[in-house]
Amino acid sequence: GAVVSQHPSWVICKSGTSVKIECRSLDFQATTMFWYRQFPKQSLMLMATSNEGSKATYEQGVEKDKFLINHASLTLSTLTVTSAHPEDSSFYICSARIQGAPGGYTFGSGTRLTVV
Amino acid sequence: AQTVTQSQPEMSVQEAETVTLSCTYDTSESDYYLFWYKQPPSRQMILVIRQEAYKQQNATENRFSVNFQKAAKSFSLKISDSQLGDAAMYFCAYNGYGAGNNRKLIWGLGTSLAVNP
Repeated sequence: GAVVSQHPSWVICKSGTSVKIECRSLDFQATTMFWYRQFPKQSLMLMATSNEGSKATYEQGVEKDKFLINHASLTLSTLTVTSAHPEDSSFYICSARIQGAPGGYTFGSGTRLTVV
Repeated sequence: AQTVTQSQPEMSVQEAETVTLSCTYDTSESDYYLFWYKQPPSRQMILVIRQEAYKQQNATENRFSVNFQKAAKSFSLKISDSQLGDAAMYFCAYNGYGAGNNRKLIWGLGTSLAVNP
């Protein structure tokens, strides 16, 4: 149980275009979704926390206008990388808090974004 | 603010042997959770083991066990009878009680574990 489905698993896009990453909770309601960025062989860096029906809370240094997060329903949260540049190339992971499971989190399988 | 420190960027172990990964943390909270996550080459984050701070008994999951020393703020992971499939990045993480669903995980930098046949 408590599965988060993340798509796409990998994407290549041209500089200047936008890319949308989706995370769906399949068998539970994800009130809160965390979006991470991870560089090779490094730890997870939290980008933002999104709550269903409200604006996302971004971590310091994360550009809100570049990384648009929408959490319109209890089962879907999206991250849109706008006007992508090569430096946005990275691995993006979503994670949801599992209600009723104290301290429990579940993770999407990640999206590898390459901007060319 | 809470911090998590993993002082071993890389570790290696022979297949079937035992290895211990270190993790220390800093917090002023009395109640919290501690986690070890495994990230294999697929990069899917997998929960290895979880410890509630109020529990004195160390958590165990099959070949994985922790040595939780609350006073010392230490939370090491022991992997027994290491298998090739244990090769991965291992992350130690902290999460406090309460404050609703927005409470975020605090991550260590990770330890890359290699298992030698």
